[in-house]
Amino acid sequence: KNEVEQSPQNLTAQEGEFITINCSYSVGISALHWLQQHPGGGIVSLFMLSSGKKKHGRLIATINIQEKHSSLHITASHPRDSAVYICAPTRHSGGGADGLTFGKGTHLIIQP
Amino acid sequence: NAGVTQTPKFQVLKTGQSMTLQCAQDMNHEYMSWYRQDPGMGLRLIHYSVGAGITDQGEVPNGYNVSRSTTEDFPLRLLSAAPSQTSVYFCASRKAAGGNTIYFGEGSWLTVV
Repeated sequence: KNEVEQSPQNLTAQEGEFITINCSYSVGISALHWLQQHPGGGIVSLFMLSSGKKKHGRLIATINIQEKHSSLHITASHPRDSAVYICAPTRHSGGGADGLTFGKGTHLIIQP
Repeated sequence: NAGVTQTPKFQVLKTGQSMTLQCAQDMNHEYMSWYRQDPGMGLRLIHYSVGAGITDQGEVPNGYNVSRSTTEDFPLRLLSAAPSQTSVYFCASRKAAGGNTIYFGEGSWLTVV
């Protein structure tokens, strides 16, 4: 049973399009991270949020704790946004493991 | 501020060999973790530590060993490499549980032949 479901798994879009990636989770969490991984590259944290909405440049992340759902939006998408985006809910402390769960990622390709 | 430093970046091992992946952070983070990333499977937890002297197993610990003698360092040892351990390995750290930013190393691409 997957605790974290991301959709879509793969997404190809044209430059300039508005992109939405969704994440649903089943565990109680204290925060949720959105991570970005470029091909052959490392993983960087884009957002950490526990309620509402955050915005960094063209990226917007929202979360609805009651509905256990988060979305990552990219406005005016650009080929450099091509990457894998990973949703990572963080459980409350305790309960074993390091508290992090990960979606399998959304592979995004933005074509010029 | 170097963040999380992970070495080596690439390594080829023969079956049965042992090696250590190094991970160091300079942010005084309590939580450190090792993950492996395989196609279609996402990040899976190998071992983790919540502070110096404390380690515990994650989802896929078999064939790996860790220690945490200092807050800064969290090495991952492959005891006797197997082809099934061919993967990309990431070390990560964060200040504590809950809502704290996660910092990842750049990854180690390991091939076991």
